[in-house]
Amino acid sequence: DIQLTQSPSFLSASVGDRVTITCRASQGISSYLAWYQQKPGKAPKLLIYAASTLQSGVPSRFSGSGSGTEFTLTISSLQPEDFATYYCQQLNSYPPTFGQGTRLEIK
Amino acid sequence: EVQLVESGGGLVKPGGSLRLSCAASGFTFSSYSMNWVRQAPGKGLEWVSSISSSSSYIYYADSVKGRFTISRDNAKNSLYLQMNSLRAEDTAVYYCARNTAMSEFDYWGQGTLVTVSS
Repeated sequence: DIQLTQSPSFLSASVGDRVTITCRASQGISSYLAWYQQKPGKAPKLLIYAASTLQSGVPSRFSGSGSGTEFTLTISSLQPEDFATYYCQQLNSYPPTFGQGTRLEIK
Repeated sequence: EVQLVESGGGLVKPGGSLRLSCAASGFTFSSYSMNWVRQAPGKGLEWVSSISSSSSYIYYADSVKGRFTISRDNAKNSLYLQMNSLRAEDTAVYYCARNTAMSEFDYWGQGTLVTVSS
């Protein structure tokens, strides 16, 4: 199975900050990577697919980059509604594994 | 509007069985692969199972293989997960999720809680 390791696992930041979350795959996955946002008690929401394509309706302050084994999710200017947990997911091969999550909290 | 609504969760004893359902609406259900994903309390997301649009391809996580069975009824726009020989570690919120053509999961249900406890 392909392992995904997110860093950091916990991030404290302020409104207006620029933040970056990294996801590293245990083997190359081309661009078959998605990012999700999850708020407490809610289902995950797709933010980015194919490593860098913004899902329809997702604000442009979210962006993704990378290919192969290293990927990043960047939020250019944090808004209050962005404080949540973020997961990466690889879709290169079964099983479609998730990273362990990055919890983003208000400083 | 795409909607996925799970049902069938509840409290069950270890070794027991439960059948989850996911009712789909707002899209052509028969054209999409579907998935079950679970999340144990306070933990991350774990993919459980996938089924292709015509049920030709089915995949399971090793942790549930031989105990869980995924199925679908395209005439009823419904996805199912039959869970047998349940264990305490199966306790989780179970989500159904739709695959896009690129394979990511673009729509998710609200989840249904399964608790395995004596």
